[in-house]
Amino acid sequence: EAGVAQSPRYKIIEKRQSVAFWCNPISGHATLYWYQQILGQGPKLLIQFQNNGVVDDSQLPKDRFSAERLKGVDSTLKIQPAKLEDSAVYLCASVGYSGNTIYFGEGSWLTVV
Amino acid sequence: KNQVEQSPQSLIILEGKNCTLQCNYTVSPFSNLRWYKQDTGRGPVSLTIMTFSENTKSNGRYTATLDADTKQSSLHITASQLSDSASYICVVSGYSTLTFGKGTMLLVSP
Repeated sequence: EAGVAQSPRYKIIEKRQSVAFWCNPISGHATLYWYQQILGQGPKLLIQFQNNGVVDDSQLPKDRFSAERLKGVDSTLKIQPAKLEDSAVYLCASVGYSGNTIYFGEGSWLTVV
Repeated sequence: KNQVEQSPQSLIILEGKNCTLQCNYTVSPFSNLRWYKQDTGRGPVSLTIMTFSENTKSNGRYTATLDADTKQSSLHITASQLSDSASYICVVSGYSTLTFGKGTMLLVSP
């Protein structure tokens, strides 16, 4: 079974530039999460999708972050404009209908300089 | 407020030794508790998941315990190996929430 795919793995941008991350969850998984993980900390939820609908985006900084999952499969997370404090790993995760195991992608490492 | 506290923050042990990591939580309502291993530069990988009625679960050299009354969990690693060096994250599920601990960074030294 293929895992959660994320790209790009690494990205370095200057502050005020924009960046987009892509996630392809495990086939058939309806629930998709985006997390932000700052070095030395646990992941922080940014947004949760159920199919193509948003379940929770209360911690998403909506002035600069946006996310979509138009067809209920792939998802993109965009940051515009980026700030230095956005430097982190952005993890995508998906959950099957059993709801027991969350599968994480390898993450997209963002450095804002 | 839902919180998950992990201790110690970091730990160094010699290869072959055992160690125990702690997780205390205040998540309510409680659904399940998971332990994840996160290698540097990789995404978290599930080790164990326990529901309210389970008080121990093993996965190879990893054994997790859960005391739902005191809201505490531990992850015991037996006969540690160099490849166990990683961050170990405790995640507690509520009704529709996931609360992450900050993780314990384990370094296994030769």
